[in-house]
Amino acid sequence: GAVVSQHPSWVICKSGTSVKIECRSLDFQATTMFWYRQFPKQSLMLMATSNEGSKATYEQGVEKDKFLINHASLTLSTLTVTSAHPEDSSFYICSARTSYTDTQYFGPGTRLTVL
Amino acid sequence: AQKVTQAQTEISVVEKEDVTLDCVYETRDTTYYLFWYKQPPSGELVFLIRRNSFDEQNEISGRYSWNFQKSTSSFNFTITASQVVDSAVYFCALSEDPHQAGTALIFGKGTTLSVSS
Repeated sequence: GAVVSQHPSWVICKSGTSVKIECRSLDFQATTMFWYRQFPKQSLMLMATSNEGSKATYEQGVEKDKFLINHASLTLSTLTVTSAHPEDSSFYICSARTSYTDTQYFGPGTRLTVL
Repeated sequence: AQKVTQAQTEISVVEKEDVTLDCVYETRDTTYYLFWYKQPPSGELVFLIRRNSFDEQNEISGRYSWNFQKSTSSFNFTITASQVVDSAVYFCALSEDPHQAGTALIFGKGTTLSVSS
């Protein structure tokens, strides 16, 4: 089956620093990737949708200048949390799909803790 | 508007009991997909099932079964003879018009299932 990886699996950083999270589709080309955020004991909330080679589409309430998304290739999307603050601490999950399937494949998630 | 409601926040059962997790959805589309995912403490989402809006047949996979009823906009999930390893958070999700690129999943709030021995 299709595999999506995320790196790092967890990260701890100081307030004010930037953190980059990578999402890779290992054995298929992902024309679309999604980034979700999950706070403790809550559901997954869509942050943004990115199509390869295009600018990401952000959900209402998600700051595009704070959460930079790049989808430069068909196998890689990155999410950069700029000037991270403790309230950005969360579990970030990406998913990927191709244009010819209706199935989304989820990565294992990245747990971000901002001190 | 798209919406997925999982009214049960937490359920506790004893091993070998049957348990049903409820899911009610709202959508304006006639073509859509419904999903169930399991999220164990490790956090990784485990795909359980996908059902399209044109297939109302119930499905059984081992101890798991799903009841899809369009008339009540429900897609309920039953675990038969529950086991401790079934303890997790279960999410129901909806995808509208899945053949359009860029369609994300709308998740319910999840139901935390605790199975004790």
